[in-house]
Amino acid sequence: ETGVTQSPTHLIKTRGQQVTLRCSSQSGHNTVSWYQQALGQGPQFIFQYYREEENGRGNFPPRFSGLQFPNYSSELNVNALELDDSALYLCASSGTGIKGYTFGSGTRLTVV
Amino acid sequence: AQSVTQLDSQVPVFEEAPVELRCNYSSSVSVYLFWYVQYPNQGLQLLLKYLSGSTLVKGINGFEAEFNKSQTSFHLRKPSVHISDTAEYFCAVSRGFGNEKLTFGTGTRLTIIP
Repeated sequence: ETGVTQSPTHLIKTRGQQVTLRCSSQSGHNTVSWYQQALGQGPQFIFQYYREEENGRGNFPPRFSGLQFPNYSSELNVNALELDDSALYLCASSGTGIKGYTFGSGTRLTVV
Repeated sequence: AQSVTQLDSQVPVFEEAPVELRCNYSSSVSVYLFWYVQYPNQGLQLLLKYLSGSTLVKGINGFEAEFNKSQTSFHLRKPSVHISDTAEYFCAVSRGFGNEKLTFGTGTRLTIIP
């Protein structure tokens, strides 16, 4: 079975720009969550999608938005990038009856 | 709301020595508990999880953890560490039903000394 795949692996953006990060969930998984991991910190929950609907959101501003597609892949969009958005963004997927998440390798976003 | 405290930010251990990484949690409801490992420049890999039942949970790579409800702890242990165990270890908690979000601790960096 395939795992969770994220793209791109690294990205450099300028403050004020917009970015889209992509995630392909593990086969059979219908739930996708996104986490932000700042340097030296634990991952922080951004939001979760279940069957294409947002199903929970952490303490992040509205300029962080997402989508989940019918094949359960997902996108994370961040508008008006700020320097503090520099972090590793992790996608995690899970499925009905599965307790716990499979994480991707992450996208390292640097905002300059 | 749930919270997780990892008491040690860094733990140096000699190769082949035992190690314990400490984790305490706070929650007003029943929880699921997890330990993840993160190798440099990689994502998170699940080591083990406690959902219910036996309080001693065995995971991959020789790791185990014990759930202690009265002390709200979920400490991770390994009887003999190897150089390859050098990594960041994260304890996480979620509410005990469905696919709830994970709340992570700040991590413990395990360094193995040859």
